[in-house]
Amino acid sequence: GAGVSQTPSNKVTEKGKYVELRCDPISGHTALYWYRQSLGQGPEFLIYFQGTGAADDSGLPNDRFFAVRPEGSVSTLKIQRTERGDSAVYLCASSLTRGNEQFFGPGTRLTVL
Amino acid sequence: EDQVTQSPEALRLQEGESSSLNCSYTVSGLRGLFWYRQDPGKGPEFLFTLYSAGEEKEKERLKATLTKKESFLHITAPKPEDSATYLCAVQGELRGGGNKLTFGTGTQLKVEL
Repeated sequence: GAGVSQTPSNKVTEKGKYVELRCDPISGHTALYWYRQSLGQGPEFLIYFQGTGAADDSGLPNDRFFAVRPEGSVSTLKIQRTERGDSAVYLCASSLTRGNEQFFGPGTRLTVL
Repeated sequence: EDQVTQSPEALRLQEGESSSLNCSYTVSGLRGLFWYRQDPGKGPEFLFTLYSAGEEKEKERLKATLTKKESFLHITAPKPEDSATYLCAVQGELRGGGNKLTFGTGTQLKVEL
């Protein structure tokens, strides 16, 4: 079956611009997570959704970062006024319910020039 | 705060040369320890979940074990296709409905002919 999909696969933007990254989880998975991975590091947690609501957004680095999941399926991570330090691979994962194994998508590589 | 330390950072093996990767962790109330494999330019691929000390799981040439302080990923008679970065992650006690994984920085494995 289809896994987690993320679009775009690559995004290049200029400092100060706004970007949106999309995640389409595995069908039937109610839990959705966003992580950020810098070169040579492990993924770092950003936010977790259970259904439509953000159950844990403790990993969002500041108020420039925001994520939504309006219908409990597809999620969008939004970054305002991008900075060069936001450059990383943004990973999305989903699981059947909280506590189950998380399955990751291929990631979106964001480059801020 | 949950912490994961993986060693070695990099490991080079000859085909057929067995070895082990280490994952040391500190966590408040372990709910699960996860192993993932990550190939360059791709998202992490789920391998194993371990829940309690003494538990072991196997898949092909890989075997994961768990104690109260660390986990080992044993690789028996590796092949070049086992070359990848292996990530360890822990899931700690529920806080405010959170379900995040805390990752280590990974062990980069290279298996040569």
